Amino acid sequence: EVVLTQSPATLSLSPGERATLSCRASQSLSSYLAWYQQKPGQAPRLLIYDASNRATGIPARFSGSGSGTDFTLTISSLEPEDFAVYYCQQRSNWPLTFGGGTKVEIK
Amino acid sequence: EVQLLESGGGLVQPGGSQRLSCAASGLTLSSCAMSWVRQAPGRGLEWVSAITGGGGNTYYADSVKGRFAISRDNSRNTLYLQMNSLRGEDTAVYYCAKHLRTGLVDAFDIWGQGTMVTVSS
Repeated sequence: EVVLTQSPATLSLSPGERATLSCRASQSLSSYLAWYQQKPGQAPRLLIYDASNRATGIPARFSGSGSGTDFTLTISSLEPEDFAVYYCQQRSNWPLTFGGGTKVEIK
Repeated sequence: EVQLLESGGGLVQPGGSQRLSCAASGLTLSSCAMSWVRQAPGRGLEWVSAITGGGGNTYYADSVKGRFAISRDNSRNTLYLQMNSLRGEDTAVYYCAKHLRTGLVDAFDIWGQGTMVTVSS
């Protein structure tokens, strides 16, 4: 099973700041990694698929990069609605697995 | 508008059974690979099971293999998860999710609102 390790667990930032979230895989994923945003009481929302492709309707301030075992989600300038938990997910191998999440909180 | 609506959650005793449903609107399930993903209270996301558009191929997480069964009724545009021999660790919000493309190994672009299953005596 591919283990995804997200860091940091919590990121405390102010609106307007840049957020950099990391996801490291226990084996190479090529580019088969997705990122999701989840707010309390809501279902996850797909942000990025295949490492760097924004999903439909996702603002340009969200970007993804990386390949192999190291991936990054960057939010260029945090908006108030971006404070949430972010998960990465791999589709390289069965079973499909998720990282443990990074909470982006208001500083 | 594309929507997935889960139902069937509730309180069930350990060892009991429950069937979850996921009704789709605004899309044709027969052309979509689908999964169930769960989230225990205060925890992260766990993929549970997946099924191809035609229903011919299914996959399960080891934690539910032999106890859960995914199926679909394309005529009703509905996805199901039959859960048997339920345990306390199955307590979670269960989401149905559509795969982004037709393949089974994929990201999930549309999610339902979730249905809560609580396993407790």
